[in-house]
Amino acid sequence: EPEVTQTPSHQVTQMGQEVILRCVPISNHLYFYWYRQILGQKVEFLVSFYNNEISEKSEIFDDQFSVERPDGSNFTLKIRSTKLEDSAMYFCASKTTGVVETQYFGPGTRLLVL
Amino acid sequence: AQSVAQPEDQVNVAEGNPLTVKCTYSVSGNPYLFWYVQYPNRGLQFLLKYITGDNLVKGSYGFEAEFNKSQTSFHLKKPSALVSDSALYFCAVTNVGGGADGLTFGKGTHLIIQP
Repeated sequence: EPEVTQTPSHQVTQMGQEVILRCVPISNHLYFYWYRQILGQKVEFLVSFYNNEISEKSEIFDDQFSVERPDGSNFTLKIRSTKLEDSAMYFCASKTTGVVETQYFGPGTRLLVL
Repeated sequence: AQSVAQPEDQVNVAEGNPLTVKCTYSVSGNPYLFWYVQYPNRGLQFLLKYITGDNLVKGSYGFEAEFNKSQTSFHLKKPSALVSDSALYFCAVTNVGGGADGLTFGKGTHLIIQP
């Protein structure tokens, strides 16, 4: 069964450094998402991406964040200058066309900013 | 703005007993409702969803959920709990706003099934 994959599984970085989190969505999916989950808190929507542009973004997704689909398979989240409060689990999700379709989530990348 | 409430941080159920995990929502327009389960150090796994039609939806691992429009609820149920059902359960909602709507999640409910 096709799955969303994410790399790396864990990343430790210093405050102020740039990080890039990578995701490979399910191959026939066209909508892509990033969510984050701060330890012990709920999952929060960051951004959705369709047709090579951002469809929707939350208040969390400020200028420090950017997303890109650099090729036909990868979907990336870049945090330009990490802060301590960016420490969280970051989940990528994807779905096929249509509002009724289910978003399928990857296993997540745990980011720790020191 | 849409929101989801899961009023219980934790639900304890004896193995073999029925379980219910509560969820209420607020959304403008028609809701699309989802349940996901998260095992320790794992991602979110889809359990079931309500889009339209029959108010009782059936999903993976014997779970089902009942959509109640008047009470704006979407409680997750299972007739007979297993120890392996112990996990963190998230209810989520989105509305019919377009094809790329982000999900709004509740804070999650820890389900503990005692042998």
